[in-house]
Amino acid sequence: KAGVTQTPRYLIKTRGQQVTLSCSPISGHRSVSWYQQTPGQGLQFLFEYFSETQRNKGNFPGRFSGRQFSNSRSEMNVSTLELGDSALYLCASSLPETNIQYFGAGTRLSVL
Amino acid sequence: AQSVSQHNHHVILSEAASLELGCNYSYGGTVNLFWYVQYPGQHLQLLLKYFSGDPLVKGIKGFEAEFIKSKFSFNLRKPSVQWSDTAEYFCAASPGYSTLTFGKGTMLLVSP
Repeated sequence: KAGVTQTPRYLIKTRGQQVTLSCSPISGHRSVSWYQQTPGQGLQFLFEYFSETQRNKGNFPGRFSGRQFSNSRSEMNVSTLELGDSALYLCASSLPETNIQYFGAGTRLSVL
Repeated sequence: AQSVSQHNHHVILSEAASLELGCNYSYGGTVNLFWYVQYPGQHLQLLLKYFSGDPLVKGIKGFEAEFIKSKFSFNLRKPSVQWSDTAEYFCAASPGYSTLTFGKGTMLLVSP
């Protein structure tokens, strides 16, 4: 069974631009969560989607948004990028009846 | 707010030494607990989990963790570490089937 796939693996953007990251969950998993990982803050929860609905949201500004499609694939978007948005963005999927989360390799975003 | 704290940010051990990484959480009710590991250049992987039952749980690669409710702790242990255990270790918690809150991680370096 294929794991969680995130694309692209690496991105370089400049301040003020926007970016879209993609996540394909494990087949059969309908819950997708996004995290931001930085050396100083560890993993911080961004949001969770289940059946195309945002179920939970972390404490991030509105510049961070996401969505989920009917096939459970998810995207997250960051608008008006800031230097502090440089991080590894992780996607995780899980079955709805358990919160054992399986992580992708992440997208490393560098904002210059 | 719910939180997870890991006692050590960096741990350096020699091969064959015993390991114990501390983790405390702040949830007052039902809690699911996890340890994840991130090997250099790899994605986060589940080491072990506790949902209910025996408070001593065993995971992959010889790791185990003990849930002590009265101390709100879920410490990770391994009797004899190997060089290949060099990685970053994350403790995580959630109140039931909800989003995970992660600790900031402990970087373990095992010298051969």
